[in-house]
Amino acid sequence: SAVISQKPSRDICQRGTSLTIQCQVDSQVTMMFWYRQQPGQSLTLIATANQGSEATYESGFVIDKFPISRPNLTFSTLTVSNMSPEDSSIYLCSVGTGHNEQFFGPGTRLTVL
Amino acid sequence: QKEVEQDPGPLSVPEGAIVSLNCTYSNSAFQYFMWYRQYSRKGPELLMYTYSSGNKEDGRFTAQVDKSSKYISLFIRDSQPSDSATYLCAIWAGNMLTFGGGTRLMVKP
Repeated sequence: SAVISQKPSRDICQRGTSLTIQCQVDSQVTMMFWYRQQPGQSLTLIATANQGSEATYESGFVIDKFPISRPNLTFSTLTVSNMSPEDSSIYLCSVGTGHNEQFFGPGTRLTVL
Repeated sequence: QKEVEQDPGPLSVPEGAIVSLNCTYSNSAFQYFMWYRQYSRKGPELLMYTYSSGNKEDGRFTAQVDKSSKYISLFIRDSQPSDSATYLCAIWAGNMLTFGGGTRLMVKP
């Protein structure tokens, strides 16, 4: 398994602003993922962020709205840009192992006013 | 039709009961099957992982996969109040996990 931390754990933001969420892993991993979990809902994959390549976005998510960085094998950031109340959600990063298991961070709870 | 269907619950049981949580899936290419537990305001925690039909046991938890029926289950024996959480099935195919909607479980003392 891997130990994953996220910053911030929660934030309240004004509409039109941007927030960058950081994800730190205690070991080197190739595959990192960003998910969104809206209140009472399951997880929706935003994008896959593999080191050394551009992030791959799922249908309904675009780079201009959710830019991702992956500068090394232990760190990634997700930015939520030009926020609206509809972006209020929990944002989770996860890492994949060679056995197709995924381990999740504690999440960032975002509220947009 | 969603690729992975899961009864949302909530499922309320008395302490000590046997709990059965279930998911169905539609894509026969799905290869790896996982169960996650998510406590309120926490990230999902991987509970069980299996890739073949049959049963896999870990303590009070048993994961069951029936590929012919495209049906997976998680059984919890001797359920405890600390098992109260949302349980998510997740299935891996190709290069991504697909999650069920989650079942909220409440175990009452």
